[in-house]
Amino acid sequence: GEDVEQSLFLSVREGDSSVINCTYTDSSSTYLYWYKQEPGAGLQLLTYIFSNMDMKQDQRLTVLLNKKDKHLSLRIADTQTGDSAIYFCAESIGPRSGSARQLTFGSGTQLTVLP
Amino acid sequence: DGGITQSPKYLFRKEGQNVTLSCEQNLNHDAMYWYRQDPGQGLRLIYYSQIVNDFQKGDIAEGYSVSREKKESFPLTVTSAQKNPTAFYLCASIGLAGTGELFFGEGSRLTVL
Repeated sequence: GEDVEQSLFLSVREGDSSVINCTYTDSSSTYLYWYKQEPGAGLQLLTYIFSNMDMKQDQRLTVLLNKKDKHLSLRIADTQTGDSAIYFCAESIGPRSGSARQLTFGSGTQLTVLP
Repeated sequence: DGGITQSPKYLFRKEGQNVTLSCEQNLNHDAMYWYRQDPGQGLRLIYYSQIVNDFQKGDIAEGYSVSREKKESFPLTVTSAQKNPTAFYLCASIGLAGTGELFFGEGSRLTVL
């Protein structure tokens, strides 16, 4: 079965690094995503990683994937108050270009950045 | 600009009434999805559609109905049979090319009075 788990809350000081963790159970996941949701808004894709990668860096964001432990993390360097939001990890199974793709989302981690 | 438009943003409904949430996309995406979001529970899939005139139930379809008469449109009806309809509803779509991620609308918040 598919299940994605995240801790619900994380607080950090402005300027520090934030690390948001996620575990998933389906070893056949092909893509893993991180989405950001600001209050009252939809989800925006932050970054993604293919299952054959261990790490991906995109400016202040670093994604680490440990397939053995089925663990995904998102590190935000130099966290700013504008980074305060809910962060969802999601796993996808299925062909990359198929419209039958299904995403399973975690419950989301509320990141609070303190001044 | 291309994107997904949901309306209304906020909606209030009396118990026993049906209500329809609109979702329109101009991204030329084939697949469209409806999710329900409750605090601390993440997103749960209600219905999805891979192609016009076809749709499939998700994990929590009971009390909801959809239609897909046009590629651009995927409205969701919350019926009076839905026992706990107060929630934030998100529509999304996915294209065949690219990285395969979902694109989301801004959401509709339904409150039952």
